[in-house]
Amino acid sequence: EAGVVQSPRYKIIEKKQPVAFWCNPISGHNTLYWYLQNLGQGPELLIRYENEEAVDDSQLPKDRFSAERLKGVDSTLKIQPAELGDSAVYLCASSSLRRGETQYFGPGTRLLVL
Amino acid sequence: AQKVTQAQTEISVVEKEDVTLDCVYETRDTTYYLFWYKQPPSGELVFLIRRNSFDEQNEISGRYSWNFQKSTSSFNFTITASQVVDSAVYFCALSEASDSGGGADGLTFGKGTHLIIQP
Repeated sequence: EAGVVQSPRYKIIEKKQPVAFWCNPISGHNTLYWYLQNLGQGPELLIRYENEEAVDDSQLPKDRFSAERLKGVDSTLKIQPAELGDSAVYLCASSSLRRGETQYFGPGTRLLVL
Repeated sequence: AQKVTQAQTEISVVEKEDVTLDCVYETRDTTYYLFWYKQPPSGELVFLIRRNSFDEQNEISGRYSWNFQKSTSSFNFTITASQVVDSAVYFCALSEASDSGGGADGLTFGKGTHLIIQP
């Protein structure tokens, strides 16, 4: 069974430029998460989707970050404009809808903002 | 608010030694879930184990074992006879039962413990 797929794996951009990350969850997983991982830290939740609905976006910096999950499968996370402090790894994870189910992570997108 | 503390930032041992990674959590929920993930240098988070708050039975999987103690809010992870391939960052994480119906909450992670196994 295929795991969570993310692209691109690496991205280098200049500050103030836009950037987008794409995630394809494990087939059949209704819940999708985006996490941010800074160097030397654990991942932190940005947004959680149940099917098409963003049910928890309280940690998403809405002035520059946006996300969508059209049709309840793939998801895109966007930053516009990017700042130096956005350099980090962006992780996507998916799970079934049931409480406490295991989240499976993709390989992440490593973003460097110059 | 929920919190996970991994007080050991880095541990270095010689191959074949046993090593225990500590995890202490805080939550006000009576129903919650605990996890351990491994993050090797490649960067991908690999799931190791999941435990719910009603199951305090310890678990052993090969060289790995987990000790869950609700009385001390701890969920420690032991590697027996460590190997170089065990070198990675290990994260403990907590998920509370969602208030929004049936969904699976996001995880709260500790800062991780960097485990170095020297040959």
